[in-house]
Amino acid sequence: TQLLEQSPQFLSIQEGENLTVYCNSSSVFSSLQWYRQEPGEGPVLLVTVVTGGEVKKLKRLTFQFGDARKDSSLHITAAQPGDTGLYLCAGGDGSSNTGKLIFGQGTTLQVKP
Amino acid sequence: ETGVTQTPRHLVMGMTNKKSLKCEQHLGHNAMYWYKQSAKKPLELMFVYSLEERVENNSVPSRFSPECPNSSHLFLHLHTLQPEDSALYLCASSQDRWITNEKLFFGSGTQLSVL
Repeated sequence: TQLLEQSPQFLSIQEGENLTVYCNSSSVFSSLQWYRQEPGEGPVLLVTVVTGGEVKKLKRLTFQFGDARKDSSLHITAAQPGDTGLYLCAGGDGSSNTGKLIFGQGTTLQVKP
Repeated sequence: ETGVTQTPRHLVMGMTNKKSLKCEQHLGHNAMYWYKQSAKKPLELMFVYSLEERVENNSVPSRFSPECPNSSHLFLHLHTLQPEDSALYLCASSQDRWITNEKLFFGSGTQLSVL
């Protein structure tokens, strides 16, 4: 069974601080997606990474896919209160014809003004 | 209206009630999904529909019954639920059935409480 472990599970920081969220597995994934979910809403896709070692930037957010495609990280620079939310990583299992998207349990981020 | 719309947003029901959750997508997508989101647990995929055909049922109890009358609408019929079924139920859609790199569009969810 493929699992994705996210750490930390909860993070509370002050506005302006930097942070990194990790998403780890012992399994290889064909791709890795990051979603952000605000209270009372559904998850919204932030980025998809598909190549080992790939780095993508989205304004103050930097996403990296591990060389072996087993792990990923999300780094936020100078966090703002608007970054508050639940961050979910999801790994794509391209090993079968059906395909599956395996979600981590999420990291809750609280950015205090 | 655009995106994925779910109704109702909140639902409280007794264990003997029958209710239905509704999902509508206005994106012209071919695949629709039901997910269950419980606190501190990963999203659990419940059902997948592709071109109105159910293609996946992840060992979901029969008290949950999905229906997909057309590619834009998805229902989840609920009956004789248990308190542990209380959760946020999310509907999602994608252009095609998820294989790899598909982008999932989620609705806002229905927060279900079973008393």
